[in-house]
Amino acid sequence: AQSVTQPDIHITVSEGASLELRCNYSYGATPYLFWYVQSPGQGLQLLLKYFSGDTLVQGIKGFEAEFKRSQSSFNLRKPSVHWSDAAEYFCAVASSGGYNKLIFGAGTRLAVHP
Amino acid sequence: GAGVSQSPSNKVTEKGKDVELRCDPISGHTALYWYRQSLGQGLEFLIYFQGNSAPDKSGLPSDRFSAERTGGSVSTLTIQRTQQEDSAVYLCASSRRMTNEQFFGPGTRLTVL
Repeated sequence: AQSVTQPDIHITVSEGASLELRCNYSYGATPYLFWYVQSPGQGLQLLLKYFSGDTLVQGIKGFEAEFKRSQSSFNLRKPSVHWSDAAEYFCAVASSGGYNKLIFGAGTRLAVHP
Repeated sequence: GAGVSQSPSNKVTEKGKDVELRCDPISGHTALYWYRQSLGQGLEFLIYFQGNSAPDKSGLPSDRFSAERTGGSVSTLTIQRTQQEDSAVYLCASSRRMTNEQFFGPGTRLTVL
């Protein structure tokens, strides 16, 4: 069965520091991978996605993620965090063989210190 | 253009009552999904529509939950005889085709007293 693990429930970083949020997935074939962000009281916004091709994908708001098949990982990175990045981040996987029923990780809540 | 809209934004109900949650997808989006977000279970898939048909209802937690979609557009999620464990945020998403990005609505927060 497909599953997604986000090992870090909470992360706190200082504004301007770099960020890496971890995501590991379990899926038998080539997955579709996504990162979503959810601000308080808001719906989910797609940051980036990986379907195929270049394993380093660029997203909105200066985020990027790297797909590493050998490690079953899809970690999210940002070189310099802004206070407005404080939110909850969800990694998700979907079957590449059909429609995008998303399986989500538990989420990582990011706090940013000034 | 307009995004996915959901109504109501908040719903408080008493245990045992029925509730209906509505989702208006982005115009032209043929795929529609319902998810549930709760403290104990995280984000869970409930049901998927392609047009008006629901080829995957595997995430509906019990037969008290049902959903329909009419005219390939608006969808309604109905929960009968609500229980306290149904309290959650119900999120709707739509996409242009099966394998495209899902756009999420703001959700309906359901509280069952």
